[in-house]
Amino acid sequence: GEDVEQSLFLSVREGDSSVINCTYTDSSSTYLYWYKQEPGAGLQLLTYIFSNMDMKQDQRLTVLLNKKDKHLSLRIADTQTGDSAIYFCAESGLKGAQKLVFGQGTRLTINP
Amino acid sequence: NAGVMQNPRHLVRRRGQEARLRCSPVKGHSHVYWYRQLPEEGLKFMVYLQKENIIDESGMPKERFSAEFPKEGPSILRIQQVVRGDSAAYFCASSPSGLAGGSSYNEQFFGPGTRLTVL
Repeated sequence: GEDVEQSLFLSVREGDSSVINCTYTDSSSTYLYWYKQEPGAGLQLLTYIFSNMDMKQDQRLTVLLNKKDKHLSLRIADTQTGDSAIYFCAESGLKGAQKLVFGQGTRLTINP
Repeated sequence: NAGVMQNPRHLVRRRGQEARLRCSPVKGHSHVYWYRQLPEEGLKFMVYLQKENIIDESGMPKERFSAEFPKEGPSILRIQQVVRGDSAAYFCASSPSGLAGGSSYNEQFFGPGTRLTVL
């Protein structure tokens, strides 16, 4: 079955880069996503990557995909206090299956 | 443009009561998804609906839970005879379509969630 794993916590200093990692098991994943959840709020799509890409950059965000190892990462450059949130990795599994499979979320804490 | 709206935002029920959670998708979206987030966990898929049809309910518990998305009005997630283990945040998402051009790209727009507490 599909499974997505993330480490639960990450703490970085303001101004440093944050790297959040994710592994998945479904080799037929077509799209992989990063969502951000702030306290008491819903999920906000940050970025996504198609499985035939290995990198995508969008302003401070860089997504790296290693399809061979089924490893996805999100790098946030120049981390700010407003980046404090829980970050979820998700994948769309089998083609035609519209559900998203989420990891447990990584809580990012910024230290001043 | 209004995003996905869910109400109520917070719902308190006693064991054995019924909970009704409502979701109004983004205007023009005909696909709705419900997810459940237990405390300190990620979101788990429950059900995927199009107007008047359930497409995938593989994540729905077999008993007490039902969902509908009528031709008119919001999508409803209904939980009968709630138990303490039903306490969670329930998120609704909507998308304009299912498959897009043969791919599975599927941007889902999430609502703020309904936080259900069962006493």
